[in-house]
Amino acid sequence: NAGVTQTPKFQVLKTGQSMTLQCAQDMNHEYMSWYRQDPGMGLRLIHYSVGAGITDQGEVPNGYNVSRSTTEDFPLRLLSAAPSQTSVYFCASMAAGANVLTFGAGSRLTVL
Amino acid sequence: GENVEQHPSTLSVQEGDSAVIKCTYSDSASNYFPWYKQELGKRPQLIIDIRSNVGEKKDQRIAVTLNKTAKHFSLHITETQPEDSAVYFCAARANAGKSTFGDGTTLTVKP
Repeated sequence: NAGVTQTPKFQVLKTGQSMTLQCAQDMNHEYMSWYRQDPGMGLRLIHYSVGAGITDQGEVPNGYNVSRSTTEDFPLRLLSAAPSQTSVYFCASMAAGANVLTFGAGSRLTVL
Repeated sequence: GENVEQHPSTLSVQEGDSAVIKCTYSDSASNYFPWYKQELGKRPQLIIDIRSNVGEKKDQRIAVTLNKTAKHFSLHITETQPEDSAVYFCAARANAGKSTFGDGTTLTVKP
């Protein structure tokens, strides 16, 4: 099993550009989520999904869109990147009825 | 929503000493409290967790205690080693999957 796979690992964008961070898991987990991690601020929930076709907002959803068309994939879209979105992004998944989040390796995004 | 506060933000101890990190939470519905360790440049990894029906849990050199009445829980690391140096995060969860994290504690263990 590959676990949770995130791509790309690094990305540099200019203000106003759009991009998609990819997240895929091969564990058949129902729950998937996106967090951003900024220095000194821990992990903040952006969006999450409890199953295919279902998404909901977390603490800091503004500027981000998600979709969950399959159980395996949960892409995070930035429609118009801003410098405030410079951060490390983590995707995580969890099986239904379980407790443990499995994190991807992270994607470091810099917006100039 | 849930609010989790974590203290201290940095902690430096001598090798062999104990380290204690404390967290408080606000939502009385929270019933699951994990602790994650994150080494530099790596992903967070679960090291220990506790459910609300348990007051204490131990796994070798690490232990977690929970006081539901006071809404606080703590991580205890005994006989610290240099490889324990990392950022530690507490979290609290009420609804399935929605974990709220503390801001992290940078632990440095000096040889």
